[in-house]
Amino acid sequence: EDQVTQSPEALRLQEGESSSLNCSYTVSGLRGLFWYRQDPGKGPEFLFTLYSAGEEKEKERLKATLTKKESFLHITAPKPEDSATYLCAVQGRSSGNTGKLIFGQGTTLQVKP
Amino acid sequence: DSGVTQTPKHLITATGQRVTLRCSPRSGDLSVYWYQQSLDQGLQFLIQYYNGEERAKGNILERFSAQQFPDLHSELNLSSLELGDSALYFCASSAGQGDSPLHFGNGTRLTVT
Repeated sequence: EDQVTQSPEALRLQEGESSSLNCSYTVSGLRGLFWYRQDPGKGPEFLFTLYSAGEEKEKERLKATLTKKESFLHITAPKPEDSATYLCAVQGRSSGNTGKLIFGQGTTLQVKP
Repeated sequence: DSGVTQTPKHLITATGQRVTLRCSPRSGDLSVYWYQQSLDQGLQFLIQYYNGEERAKGNILERFSAQQFPDLHSELNLSSLELGDSALYFCASSAGQGDSPLHFGNGTRLTVT
């Protein structure tokens, strides 16, 4: 069974204090790993897709990396507006030719000014 | 704005009742997904439709049903509601059957009293 575990559950940072969020996954044949950002009362907002180990993607202060067992979301010099819940999801071969994603529980990030 | 529209935003109803949640996908997207988000379960996949046909089914209760209409909008019907059905229900859409990132609406918050 495909599984995703995110850590930590919650993270408090000072503005400018860089850190990383972890997403460990177990999947029968990874087709894609996805990072989303979710603000309170809103739907998840797509950030990145990673397909193979060694791949990296960047967007502003965020950088996502992928290994065979986990993905990291690195946040460099975060700002208060980066505060949100970050969700990791995987799509495995067991999902067939469908878009079914398995989500982790998320990491809630709070950045204080 | 993801381009996915969900109505209503909030719904309060009593146990035993039936409700219908509606979703309009992004222009051009053929797949529609329904997810349930509760505090203890995180985002759980319910069902996917592609161009009017069911493509994948997750942990969707028999009391729940969905359909996608010729104009590609979708409805999720929840019947014989129980207190435990209170949750956020998200709709997402993607261009293809399974390889596109999902784009989420802002959800319908269902409260069963």
